[in-house]
Amino acid sequence: AQSVTQPDIHITVSEGASLELRCNYSYGATPYLFWYVQSPGQGLQLLLKYFSGDTLVQGIKGFEAEFKRSQSSFNLRKPSVHWSDAAEYFCAVGADKVIFGPGTSLSVIP
Amino acid sequence: GAVVSQHPSRVICKSGTSVKIECRSLDFQATTMFWYRQFPKQSLMLMATSNEGSKATYEQGVEKDKFLINHASLTLSTLTVTSAHPEDSSFYICSARVEGTMNTEAFFGQGTRLTVV
Repeated sequence: AQSVTQPDIHITVSEGASLELRCNYSYGATPYLFWYVQSPGQGLQLLLKYFSGDTLVQGIKGFEAEFKRSQSSFNLRKPSVHWSDAAEYFCAVGADKVIFGPGTSLSVIP
Repeated sequence: GAVVSQHPSRVICKSGTSVKIECRSLDFQATTMFWYRQFPKQSLMLMATSNEGSKATYEQGVEKDKFLINHASLTLSTLTVTSAHPEDSSFYICSARVEGTMNTEAFFGQGTRLTVV
């Protein structure tokens, strides 16, 4: 069965610091992997996606993620966090039926 | 990218009434759409798969008689919350993927915030 885990429920970083959000997945075939961001009371915004090919994926807003099949991971990174990045981040797996992880709440200290 | 539109974006209803939420694919056809529910400070949980011209497939634990899904055309799926109660208050989101494509993501609507009073 498909599943996604995000070990960190909440992370706090200082503005300008680097960020890594962890994601591990369980999927029967080659996974379609996604990272979404959701601001309070808002819908989802797709940050980036991986289907195949280069395992380092570039997304919007300076985010990137690396697919590591051996570790079943798809961690999200950003070299320098901005205050506006404070939000909820969801890792997800699937093609049509998308399964979401529990989310990681990011707080940014000015 | 393809656009999925939900209506309404917010709705408040009285306990015991029914509420209909629409999900439209604006510039593509979708034989399959998906409905999710998100409680405050929680993740999105898949409720059901909406199939055009046939019955929806519900995830375990989701009451099909309470959450009626109709997918009458290739661009419209509706979710009706029947006899709504305060515990049904939630954020409901639909998604669809462009038919016959590879390596494209599912597109999500902007969600409907339902408050039952």
